[in-house]
Amino acid sequence: DIQMTQSPSSLSASVGDRVTITCRASQGISNSLAWYQQKPGKAPNLLLFAASRLESGVPSRFSGSGSGTDYTLTISSLQPEDFATYFCQHYSSTPPTFGGGTKVEIK
Amino acid sequence: QVQLEQSGAEVKKPGASVKVSCKASGYTFTSYGLDWVRQAPGQGLEWMGRISGYNANANYAQKLQGRVTMTIDTSTPTAYMELRSLSSDDTAVYFCARVNMLRVNDYWGQGTLITVSS
Repeated sequence: DIQMTQSPSSLSASVGDRVTITCRASQGISNSLAWYQQKPGKAPNLLLFAASRLESGVPSRFSGSGSGTDYTLTISSLQPEDFATYFCQHYSSTPPTFGGGTKVEIK
Repeated sequence: QVQLEQSGAEVKKPGASVKVSCKASGYTFTSYGLDWVRQAPGQGLEWMGRISGYNANANYAQKLQGRVTMTIDTSTPTAYMELRSLSSDDTAVYFCARVNMLRVNDYWGQGTLITVSS
């Protein structure tokens, strides 16, 4: 199975900050990477897929990049509604596995 | 609009079985697969398995092989996930999630809390 290592596990930031979360796969995943946002008590919500493609309806302050084994989610200017936990997931093979999550908290 | 409506929370005793349902609407059920993903309290997301909405072929996470069965009823259309021989380690919120053409989980059910306690 491909292991996904996400960092940091948590971070504190202020409204307006630029935030970056990284995800490393244990082997190359050919950009088959998705990012999800999850708020407490809710299901995950798809933000990006194919490493950098924005899901319909997701604000453009979210962006993704990377290749091979290393990928990044960037929030260009953190908004109050962005405080949540973020997960990466590879889907290049079965089983699709998730990173451990990054909790973005208010500083 | 695509919706996945899951059954309600349940409390089960160790050793029992549970069957969670996921009723789909707003799309052609047989054109997409469904994943089941669970999340233990305060923990990350764990993929449990996938079932085809077309032919009901399923594959399961290795650690759950022999304890989990995923089925579909295309007439309703609803997917089911049954987990047997429950232990406290199975206490979690269980989600169903549609698998789109790119193999991405684009729509999720609201989750079903299963609590295993004596």
